Amino acid sequence: EPEVTQTPSHQVTQMGQEVILRCVPISNHLYFYWYRQILGQKVEFLVSFYNNEISEKSEIFDDQFSVERPDGSNFTLKIRSTKLEDSAMYFCASRGSYNSPLHFGNGTRLTVT
Amino acid sequence: RKEVEQDPGPFNVPEGATVAFNCTYSNSASQSFFWYRQDCRKEPKLLMSVYSSGNEDGRFTAQLNRASQYISLLIRDSKLSDSATYLCVVNMRGFQKLVFGTGTRLLVSP
Repeated sequence: EPEVTQTPSHQVTQMGQEVILRCVPISNHLYFYWYRQILGQKVEFLVSFYNNEISEKSEIFDDQFSVERPDGSNFTLKIRSTKLEDSAMYFCASRGSYNSPLHFGNGTRLTVT
Repeated sequence: RKEVEQDPGPFNVPEGATVAFNCTYSNSASQSFFWYRQDCRKEPKLLMSVYSSGNEDGRFTAQLNRASQYISLLIRDSKLSDSATYLCVVNMRGFQKLVFGTGTRLLVSP
């Protein structure tokens, strides 16, 4: 069964550094997402991406965040200047059509020190 | 009012028990509904979509009540392996984001 893959599985960075989290969505999917989950808290929507542009974003997704689909297969989340409170599990997800369910990657655990 | 609300639990049940969870949503324009399962520190995994007429998958039954704006999940004959957090997920018409509830934790004991 096709799956969403994310790298790295764990990223440790210092406050103020830039990080790029990478994802390869399922190949025939059209809608791409980033969610995050702070330890012990709910899964929170960050951004959705469709037709090569951001379709929706949350209040969390401020100017420090950006997404790209550079080559038709990868989907990346960049955090320009990390803060301690950015420490969380970041999940990439994709879905094939508007009403279909999301398929999640294994997540990247980001630790900001 | 929160967009999607769930009782966080935990629900402690013995093996073989039947357990039910509810989830309420605030936006009447919501159109797609899902139950996901999440194990500790893992990604959410789709358990089942929820259809208007209700649907069943083995020991799991999902129901939708649009008038009262809630969905439910019933688990029959609970197994130890059912211990997890069950996440209610709602997609509102006209929006691409799917909103997650906080999850309901289930602990099945021998």
